[in-house]
Amino acid sequence: QVQLVQSGAEVKKPGASVKVSCKTSGYTFTSYYMHWVRQAPGQGLEWMGIINPSGGSTSYAQKFQGRVTMTRDTSTSTVYMELSSLRSEDTAVYYCARDGGSCSGGSCYPGNYWGQGTLVTVSS
Amino acid sequence: QSVLTQPPSASGTPGQRVTISCSGSSSNIGSNYVYWYQQLPGTAPKLLIYRNNQRPSGVPDRFSGSKSGTSASLAISGLRSEDEADYYCAAWDDSLSGRLVFGGGTKLTVL
Repeated sequence: QVQLVQSGAEVKKPGASVKVSCKTSGYTFTSYYMHWVRQAPGQGLEWMGIINPSGGSTSYAQKFQGRVTMTRDTSTSTVYMELSSLRSEDTAVYYCARDGGSCSGGSCYPGNYWGQGTLVTVSS
Repeated sequence: QSVLTQPPSASGTPGQRVTISCSGSSSNIGSNYVYWYQQLPGTAPKLLIYRNNQRPSGVPDRFSGSKSGTSASLAISGLRSEDEADYYCAAWDDSLSGRLVFGGGTKLTVL
């Protein structure tokens, strides 16, 4: 069955970077785009960006441009999300979510499969 | 402030039908599909509706989605206690180099 397993919780100081992993199994890794979505405590969902595991191309929300990097390792079927220059407002649960299907333009969306979430706490 | 506007709360009694609205603009709902997610406390979101009104397999037909112009709605009929959750709408937005935007979420309480 399809599984997305994320790395464990992190505590970081302001200004540092964090790299969250999302290891996939149960499907052809390169056949589905992967989204990253975050949720601050008590707040709503926020889309960060998307990566195509096949070629590694990415598209980031403008808010995170310059601070976020999404990569993938096809040998381990794992995608990564690195966020730099952390500030307290980046404290959130970060989710990876497999795209729902034929992702193109405005028809990309987080589908049925999500990771369990990774809590990143930014505190001095 | 979220790009898509949802009421912060909604409520109903078991068996009732409730609707949750989602208002956007021509750059998002007006020109792209709408998606709906359900999030139970402490869990990852779950896809309820995709491409305006399509249900993934396993989602009960009590849940339905619709779209008209720059607004969309999620309807839940035959309300059950296990439907108590947060609900989010989402749509692709063609402005700012394209991005997926979410509504602020609606907390549904089953009385």
